[in-house]
Amino acid sequence: DTGVSQDPRHKITKRGQNVTFRCDPISEHNRLYWYRQTLGQGPEFLTYFQNEAQLEKSRLLSDRFSAERPKGSFSTLEIQRTEQGDSAMYLCASSLARVRRADTQYFGPGTRLTVL
Amino acid sequence: AQSVTQLDSHVSVSEGTPVLLRCNYSSSYSPSLFWYVQHPNKGLQLLLKYTSAATLVKGINGFEAEFKKSETSFHLTKPSAHMSDAAEYFCVVGIYNQGGKLIFGQGTELSVKP
Repeated sequence: DTGVSQDPRHKITKRGQNVTFRCDPISEHNRLYWYRQTLGQGPEFLTYFQNEAQLEKSRLLSDRFSAERPKGSFSTLEIQRTEQGDSAMYLCASSLARVRRADTQYFGPGTRLTVL
Repeated sequence: AQSVTQLDSHVSVSEGTPVLLRCNYSSSYSPSLFWYVQHPNKGLQLLLKYTSAATLVKGINGFEAEFKKSETSFHLTKPSAHMSDAAEYFCVVGIYNQGGKLIFGQGTELSVKP
């Protein structure tokens, strides 16, 4: 068990550029989550996948954001036309889902995005 | 709607003294509750979780939390603080009928003085 990994760990970009982040979950986990954490705040839910299906998206996820999880393995989160307000830590988590329980989510180290 | 309120944004204790981090939750059904810890420049780590098996939950590093339904509280305690406990602590509620997504509190920063 190598844990959840995220790449890159840090990304600095200019306003208006597109960025893409990658998350590799724990191998047998069927659920994958994305959260965003701004300075001094707790993480906020963005979206989640059950296998390859994206089942819920937060209202925080504007149409500039898109997430995919092809083949139910790794996931990517893309932000188009970045804005300074997108600067945050983007966290990925995975879990092994069981019916009618909120199971333990294991978090990756995060990708810190800075938009200049 | 489910929500979590951490009653203190910052707690300072001396090494060797007890720790109490307070958390109240709001949930329309029996919740799954968690405490996570975040050390500077490190990822979120699970301390403990409550899923209705026992009201007193023991976690890692000597931490424990008690679920009190009548008070809608899930406070985190530790008998004796260690310098390495200094970190940000998050009380979290899990929403099982929404894919298990987590709702985080605002966090409590714990400082430990020598």
